[in-house]
Amino acid sequence: AQTVTQSQPEMSVQEAETVTLSCTYDTSESNYYLFWYKQPPSRQMILVIRQEAYKQQNATENRFSVNFQKAAKSFSLKISDSQLGDTAMYFCAFTNYGGSQGNLIFGKGTKLSVKP
Amino acid sequence: EAQVTQNPRYLITVTGKKLTVTCSQNMNHEYMSWYRQDPGLGLRQIYYSMNVEVTDKGDVPEGYKVSRKEKRNFPLILESPSPNQTSLYFCASSLTQYHEQYFGPGTRLTVT
Repeated sequence: AQTVTQSQPEMSVQEAETVTLSCTYDTSESNYYLFWYKQPPSRQMILVIRQEAYKQQNATENRFSVNFQKAAKSFSLKISDSQLGDTAMYFCAFTNYGGSQGNLIFGKGTKLSVKP
Repeated sequence: EAQVTQNPRYLITVTGKKLTVTCSQNMNHEYMSWYRQDPGLGLRQIYYSMNVEVTDKGDVPEGYKVSRKEKRNFPLILESPSPNQTSLYFCASSLTQYHEQYFGPGTRLTVT
């Protein structure tokens, strides 16, 4: 079965510091897509970053970057210069590429608190 | 404005009373999906649809039905709701499953 594991249920970081959220996944496929979504207290789900497994280069979006280790099946999210507005639940997600399967699998989430 | 709308936003109902949660998107997306979010369990996919008239089960489809008769609409039907279906439900749409998903605002359902 395909699974996504986020081993840190809660984390906290001081404003302006850097924090890394971990995500591991399990699949027998070689091509797939990985995502990080953010859910602030407003409950709105927002895409943070997206990575295609066939691309070796790690995706970045402003202060957000990933460390994608395909062999280790690891996809961690690094937030630099943390801001109070980064306080949210963060979900890692995965979907296989190709075939008839169209399901997305989410992890259980990491609750991040940014402290002033 | 590009958006996914869900109705109702809040619903309290009783066990066994059939209900429908509507979902509509105005972005001409092929892919639509329903999730439920429960504390400590994250988001779990209930059903998804890769195109009109094409639907498939996600991880937790029991007790739910869906249909995709039109591209823009993807209603979630609970034929006989039970208390274990009390949850926060999200509808989402995207160009394909490989693209960014746009989520609706969520529907808080309580079944007593």
